[in-house]
Amino acid sequence: QSALTQPASVSGSPGQSITISCTGTSSDIGGYNFVSWYQQHPGKAPKLMIYEVSYRPSGVSNRLSGSKSGNTASLTISGLQAEDEADYYCSSYTSSSTVVIFGGGTKLTVL
Amino acid sequence: EVQLVQSGAEVKKPGESLKISCKGSGYIFSNYWIGWVRQMPGKGPEWMGIIYPGDSDTRYSPSFQGQVTISADKSTSIAYLQWTSLKASDTAIYYCARRGGSYQIDLWGQGTLVTVSA
Repeated sequence: QSALTQPASVSGSPGQSITISCTGTSSDIGGYNFVSWYQQHPGKAPKLMIYEVSYRPSGVSNRLSGSKSGNTASLTISGLQAEDEADYYCSSYTSSSTVVIFGGGTKLTVL
Repeated sequence: EVQLVQSGAEVKKPGESLKISCKGSGYIFSNYWIGWVRQMPGKGPEWMGIIYPGDSDTRYSPSFQGQVTISADKSTSIAYLQWTSLKASDTAIYYCARRGGSYQIDLWGQGTLVTVSA
């Protein structure tokens, strides 16, 4: 089972909006609404930011939003702040025996 | 406080065995699936396998089947990840992770760095 496909990097200036894409197949993203997004700062464990495509856990900023169209999920961060600079990973349930697969990660740089 | 606390960093030689641990607290450990996630340097996470401490039902990702053993002791709220013969390619950070009902990981351990080098 191949990893989900994410762009290696994205960047934006403070206050701007950015979108990170995550492309899979009909066996994972396209077939189920079990897409999650994680933020990881250097040397830290990942942190859940979005689950079930578009739901935010308690305490996560409403500047983050998630969506899905076909086999591609997206994470949008609006009003970029310096603290948003981190690696972001998507994940999805998959009907293969792996059950959960991750993307390769996207490094967000706040200019 | 709801948390997963992992054992400390390890440095091992190829061929050696290793067992790392993850202790859950602040919630009913038996009621949630606990998984192990590998993250190699500069790479994305990889789901290795998962166990339900309530009945020890265990599932492995194909890439890790036969390479590691996942276990749990519900009486002590500890999950384990074990190798019988380490390889240099096992060098990575290993996270334990609590899986929620929507296949999200809603709680992560702090990670255990395993370094395998001759």
